[in-house]
Amino acid sequence: EIVMTQSPATLSVSPGERATLSCRASQSVSSNLAWYQQKPGQAPRLLIYGASTRATGIPARFSGSGSGTEFTLTISSLQSEDFAVYYCQQYNNWPQDTFGQGTKLEIK
Amino acid sequence: EVQLVQSGAEVKKPGESLKISCKGSGYSFTSYWIGWVRQMPGKGLEWMGIIYPGDSDTRYSPSFQGQVTISADKSISTAYLQWSSLKASDTAMYYCARPQTSHWPYDYWGQGTLVTVSS
Repeated sequence: EIVMTQSPATLSVSPGERATLSCRASQSVSSNLAWYQQKPGQAPRLLIYGASTRATGIPARFSGSGSGTEFTLTISSLQSEDFAVYYCQQYNNWPQDTFGQGTKLEIK
Repeated sequence: EVQLVQSGAEVKKPGESLKISCKGSGYSFTSYWIGWVRQMPGKGLEWMGIIYPGDSDTRYSPSFQGQVTISADKSISTAYLQWSSLKASDTAMYYCARPQTSHWPYDYWGQGTLVTVSS
């Protein structure tokens, strides 16, 4: 099983600032990496796929980068609605997908 | 518009059986895989398994193989997740989700079904 490790577990950032979230795979997943946002009481929402492609309707302030085993989600200027939990997911070993444990992005 | 609508919350006792559902609409139900994802209280997302309703090809996570059964009824565009004997540790939110194609993440998600197992 490919293990996905996210860091940090919690990130405190002020609105308007930049947030950088990390995800590491236990083995290469090429660019088969997605990011999801989950708000309390809601289902996850796909943000990024292919490591760097924004899903339909996702604002440009969200960007993804990386390949192989190291990936980053950057939110360039945090809005109030961005404070949520973010998960990475590898689908290189589809359908045996695995998710990271999540990073909680909170208001500083 | 693609929609996945899940059945309502359930409260069950340990040892009871349960089948929850996920109805797809707005697309060709038989042409897309549907997966199931567990989220235990306050925890992260765990992939459980996936089914292709067109031919009922089903794959399970090793962690859930033998613990649950995934099925689909294409005549009513509905996928199912079922347990034969629930445990307290099955208490969780369960989501169905649809990838755009195979080897793809999940574009569309149901609203979730909360299952509570308590004596």
